[in-house]
Amino acid sequence: SQQGEEDPQALSIQEGENATMNCSYKTSINNLQWYRQNSGRGLVHLILIRSNEREKHSGRLRVTLDTSKKSSSLLITASRAADTASYFCATVHGSGNTGKLIFGQGTTLQVKP
Amino acid sequence: DAGVTQSPTHLIKTRGQQVTLRCSPKSGHDTVSWYQQALGQGPQFIFQYYEEEERQRGNFPDRFSGHQFPNYSSELNVNALLLGDSALYLCASSGLQGIHEQYFGPGTRLTVT
Repeated sequence: SQQGEEDPQALSIQEGENATMNCSYKTSINNLQWYRQNSGRGLVHLILIRSNEREKHSGRLRVTLDTSKKSSSLLITASRAADTASYFCATVHGSGNTGKLIFGQGTTLQVKP
Repeated sequence: DAGVTQSPTHLIKTRGQQVTLRCSPKSGHDTVSWYQQALGQGPQFIFQYYEEEERQRGNFPDRFSGHQFPNYSSELNVNALLLGDSALYLCASSGLQGIHEQYFGPGTRLTVT
């Protein structure tokens, strides 16, 4: 069964607006990662945040992690039509874990030009 | 530097048949993981190979098997295909024993009729 739950399932915004996606998980993690998928093809890694980190930035992306609430959020600022895609959070568990990713159901983002 | 490659891109099989999917990891990566993604769902972990051995396995039946070769490339085999095996099969590679972000191939779209 999948660990993460993402919210919302779908999001539609205008170009230039910010998009926020949330992810919750059930058991303690080693790290949490966000991926983007265009049109049902391969996933592209966006950002990784470790369990001892609270916030990370990468370009227009900002990820926060709240381990007490077992949740994370991905913020995309100044969105562009090219950001239209599905976004997945994935968790890695255990200190000696081999890197098995457990994905959520994903959020489908549509950015209208 | 070539990324992760997968073949074939698309495949149509009949129930009961067997299929082999192939993956070449990103240069310098030694760990290969396979995921199954049903339409509208997040990817689900099938298994992971490191040093030519299956290191971890998800909740998939024995009909799903794999192999890793000395050059780190990998195969996924599915026997006795069921209609429910129709999905996008994703291969991901990683270095450092798989504990960092994973690089995904474009996937193989398998349709079972």
